Amino acid sequence: NAGVTQTPKFQVLKTGQSMTLQCAQDMNHEYMSWYRQDPGMGLRLIHYSVGAGITDQGEVPNGYNVSRSTTEDFPLRLLSAAPSQTSVYFCASSSAPTGQGGGYTFGSGTRLTVV
Amino acid sequence: LAKTTQPISMDSYEGQEVNITCSHNNIATNDYITWYQQFPSQGPRFIIQGYKTKVTNEVASLFIPADRKSSTLSLPRVSLSDTAVYYCLVGDFGNEKLTFGTGTRLTIIP
Repeated sequence: NAGVTQTPKFQVLKTGQSMTLQCAQDMNHEYMSWYRQDPGMGLRLIHYSVGAGITDQGEVPNGYNVSRSTTEDFPLRLLSAAPSQTSVYFCASSSAPTGQGGGYTFGSGTRLTVV
Repeated sequence: LAKTTQPISMDSYEGQEVNITCSHNNIATNDYITWYQQFPSQGPRFIIQGYKTKVTNEVASLFIPADRKSSTLSLPRVSLSDTAVYYCLVGDFGNEKLTFGTGTRLTIIP
């Protein structure tokens, strides 16, 4: 049982490049989310999904796209990388909505630097 | 979502009980209170969740007064490994737009 797996762990991009951060969970969780965490800051929600085929925007969605074609995978796509997107990105999943379950399980993060 | 306020940092000695209080004056009827723990270079880890009164698990206790405008996370007999950032979240049932504040940085002193 691997939990929430994020790849890659580290990535350096040039301004304007695009890339996809991968997130996969093997717990059959319906709820998945993407967060970014800047140095010394809390986590900010980018996008989230309450099931396959259903996604919605979080607090800071600009510059990012998501899709959820399967229950297991929730990739985050950076359309045109900017230095302001330098951050640590966390993917999380949960088996139940807020108030019904044991909270979210987080991946180990992807550390992204845009130069 | 109800905004939360926590102390920025706290220090405690090993073996002590630590209580971290979170204020959420605008909490709504359907809101639940959840606490997460985050170690450096790791993703947050769920600790405990509650709606009212007291909840206890193998890691911590959560005390919620009747008016629910605050909550207190209690960590019994802390050790050095409890040094981490602790986040208090308030979110309503089924609303997955969770908001993490800056948390409380807890440092355990030997």
